[in-house]
Amino acid sequence: DTEVTQTPKHLVMGMTNKKSLKCEQHMGHRAMYWYKQKAKKPPELMFVYSYEKLSINESVPSRFSPECPNSSLLNLHLHALQPEDSALYLCASSLQPNTEAFFGQGTRLTVV
Amino acid sequence: AQSVSQHNHHVILSEAASLELGCNYSYGGTVNLFWYVQYPGQHLQLLLKYFSGDPLVKGIKGFEAEFIKSKFSFNLRKPSVQWSDTAEYFCAVNAWDSNYQLIWGAGTKLIIKP
Repeated sequence: DTEVTQTPKHLVMGMTNKKSLKCEQHMGHRAMYWYKQKAKKPPELMFVYSYEKLSINESVPSRFSPECPNSSLLNLHLHALQPEDSALYLCASSLQPNTEAFFGQGTRLTVV
Repeated sequence: AQSVSQHNHHVILSEAASLELGCNYSYGGTVNLFWYVQYPGQHLQLLLKYFSGDPLVKGIKGFEAEFIKSKFSFNLRKPSVQWSDTAEYFCAVNAWDSNYQLIWGAGTKLIIKP
């Protein structure tokens, strides 16, 4: 299994909603990441978990809250988002923090 | 701070033409280098990587890249492109002293005319 699986693929939410994005990998990777990608731009790092501990938080607004329940799962909890938060949210994982990252298909988020 | 430059934001080629996409990084220490590709509507995929050893690395789909340390470059090449190579290409770098956070280039949009 060489996949990073993200659900849902598409999400439309209002500015007062609470929703969660989910990510799963079964490759035994010990580093997992959340990225935000706007159209025609490179991914922007949001959070890094290394061995299930949050190791890098790139000063992301508190309306985004990550969670790593175990080494295979990563969640991103969303609350009170703004329309400018609409983007493709990508999950990735790597065996170690310094090795290549494998990306999921992403969740296309639209905030209305 | 580290940075990655991709010289061409848009490249248009005809099928069978040769391709070279430039990537330069600014960091004096040891780095790991990557090229990722994002086909329309698809996820980011690793094309190839360089950690150490032979500076000429081969990746998937006939792509290769050459690491030239003296020029801080990691250019991507393909001898003969196909229409299916139409995609966005990203160069990325990480290093030990930035917690191996990937630093990304701005990307190059490659369009292959059939």
